[in-house]
Amino acid sequence: GQNIDQPTEMTATEGAIVQINCTYQTSGFNGLFWYQQHAGEAPTFLSYNVLDGLEEKGRFSSFLSRSKGYSYLLLKELQMKDSASYLCAVRDEGQTGQGFSFIFGKGTRLLVKP
Amino acid sequence: EPEVTQTPSHQVTQMGQEVILRCVPISNHLYFYWYRQILGQKVEFLVSFYNNEISEKSEIFDDQFSVERPDGSNFTLKIRSTKLEDSAMYFCAPSDGFNSPLHFGNGTRLTVT
Repeated sequence: GQNIDQPTEMTATEGAIVQINCTYQTSGFNGLFWYQQHAGEAPTFLSYNVLDGLEEKGRFSSFLSRSKGYSYLLLKELQMKDSASYLCAVRDEGQTGQGFSFIFGKGTRLLVKP
Repeated sequence: EPEVTQTPSHQVTQMGQEVILRCVPISNHLYFYWYRQILGQKVEFLVSFYNNEISEKSEIFDDQFSVERPDGSNFTLKIRSTKLEDSAMYFCAPSDGFNSPLHFGNGTRLTVT
């Protein structure tokens, strides 16, 4: 079956670094995506990995190990506005093989404290 | 900025009524997806659309749901007979294909009473 696991909640301090882990088991794999979602808003795209290794994008970095079915999102120099849910999503081959679907985890709610 | 415009932003309907949610692309994309998110729960895949046809659909996307592209550009998601459990945010999200992320619209909040 399809399964994506993330911690439910995390708390960190302003200015610190936090790592949000994601493990996945899917029938196919065509990339892993991270999204940020503030309460009541749509998810916004943060980062993407298709090959193993680290992708850096400003204060955000994402790592992927396909053999381990594991990814993490690293947030540096945390700011209060980073308080949000962070969603891990795997792009799968889909059931019929005619297209792709993105399977989302339940998200990790990050609270940044002063 | 979102790459699609979704209307209405909020829809309240009575159980058993039909609703039509609209998605207007701002620019051309290869793939279009509909997702829903029940309050406090995860984002769930409903259906994907490629080349004017449904390419994938989930178990959630049963006979009560349909998608159309009535004028070749805009998309509609129709729920024929709404149930209380259809209350959710519905997102339209285009993608340009392989290696391309989803870009979510602002969503339509559907409330079924």
